[in-house]
Amino acid sequence: SAVISQKPSRDICQRGTSLTIQCQVDSQVTMMFWYRQQPGQSLTLIATANQGSEATYESGFVIDKFPISRPNLTFSTLTVSNMSPEDSSIYLCSVEGTGANVLTFGAGSRLTVL
Amino acid sequence: QKEVEQNSGPLSVPEGAIASLNCTYSDRGSQSFFWYRQYSGKSPELIMFIYSNGDKEDGRFTAQLNKASQYVSLLIRDSQPSDSATYLCAVLTYNQGGKLIFGQGTELSVKP
Repeated sequence: SAVISQKPSRDICQRGTSLTIQCQVDSQVTMMFWYRQQPGQSLTLIATANQGSEATYESGFVIDKFPISRPNLTFSTLTVSNMSPEDSSIYLCSVEGTGANVLTFGAGSRLTVL
Repeated sequence: QKEVEQNSGPLSVPEGAIASLNCTYSDRGSQSFFWYRQYSGKSPELIMFIYSNGDKEDGRFTAQLNKASQYVSLLIRDSQPSDSATYLCAVLTYNQGGKLIFGQGTELSVKP
């Protein structure tokens, strides 16, 4: 299955700032998915990123807050904008792995907003 | 009703016992079901997937699916302390255009 590298692995940020998370895959993939996992919670899909088109956002997530780039088939970024403590979460990049709809996840980016 | 619900944990079992993890889902049209394991501080990793009614076995793990009851479970036989983790049920639901919805997870603790 694909190998996913995410960075930063963790960061501590100040309220009102923005942080960009990078996701690099070792093979070309059509779709990349960004998930959020808040403390003690399960995974919530933020958006699906396709190369060459705008990302598709889930209900409750907007492009102004979570802009996504997908410049090629192996790379994507998620920016968390104008951060507040409520944005403190783990953000995970994922791609389809060995089979359709079988997701492989990156190691995640643990974000703490003070 | 949540789209995917799991029995609340934590679930504690002794080493060598069978751990039973349960999951129900609301979208009757769902066709694909997944179990992920997530160790503390780590990202989820796939254990099994199941598409058809019945049982699917892989080593010590058995996934069971009952579409009529909208129920999927994961049995772990001969539980080991290394199985201690949070287990996430995920369902591919078409209610919202075909996306993977995760349950809240069940924390399993296997006591030596």
